[in-house]
Amino acid sequence: RKEVEQDPGPFNVPEGATVAFNCTYSNSASQSFFWYRQDCRKEPKLLMSVYSSGNEDGRFTAQLNRASQYISLLIRDSKLSDSATYLCVVNTGFQKLVFGTGTRLLVSP
Amino acid sequence: GAGVSQSPRYKVAKRGQDVALRCDPISGHVSLFWYQQALGQGPEFLTYFQNEAQLDKSGLPSDRFFAERPEGSVSTLKIQRTQQEDSAVYLCASSLDGAGGNYNEQFFGPGTRLTVL
Repeated sequence: RKEVEQDPGPFNVPEGATVAFNCTYSNSASQSFFWYRQDCRKEPKLLMSVYSSGNEDGRFTAQLNRASQYISLLIRDSKLSDSATYLCVVNTGFQKLVFGTGTRLLVSP
Repeated sequence: GAGVSQSPRYKVAKRGQDVALRCDPISGHVSLFWYQQALGQGPEFLTYFQNEAQLDKSGLPSDRFFAERPEGSVSTLKIQRTQQEDSAVYLCASSLDGAGGNYNEQFFGPGTRLTVL
């Protein structure tokens, strides 16, 4: 079983739609949590950190449930430019990042 | 300012050749990481340096993989006797400081795409 599991998609949605991604992690000692975005043939870039209290950045909302070891990302009012792969990432301590396989999002006109 | 740079961006090697991949981290960043990303997968951790010290090499897949950062700045990932399964994108990342276990954002370079024929 992978340490971080995500549905690989692709998720095909029209512009303006709301879409949610989920991920689960297996290491209960994990310390910090993130969503990264990766465009085709580009490097991953930090989208946002994820906290138990939930955090919002414009159209993006991330949530962590430590009891269920579950992380979510909600994107409202999808734009064409949101098309990318979204990587669920966990820091298990001492800087090492563990990535999920990524969920591919395609937003169409 | 300049981000993390990697060279070469693309490398084609014949099976059995040795390759060396270079990473220039962001100036002043203490921590440096190497990841391997196979097609359709997320990046997988290979190794981690704090300054010149290699603190974690648990992700290196075999003894054919070797990384160094002799002066605590530029790093080289060397793969000896390359195999087809080594074909992947090799990503380098750096962060400001890894002391005390507190997480600092890792900034990724564009990667080196290695193809082994």
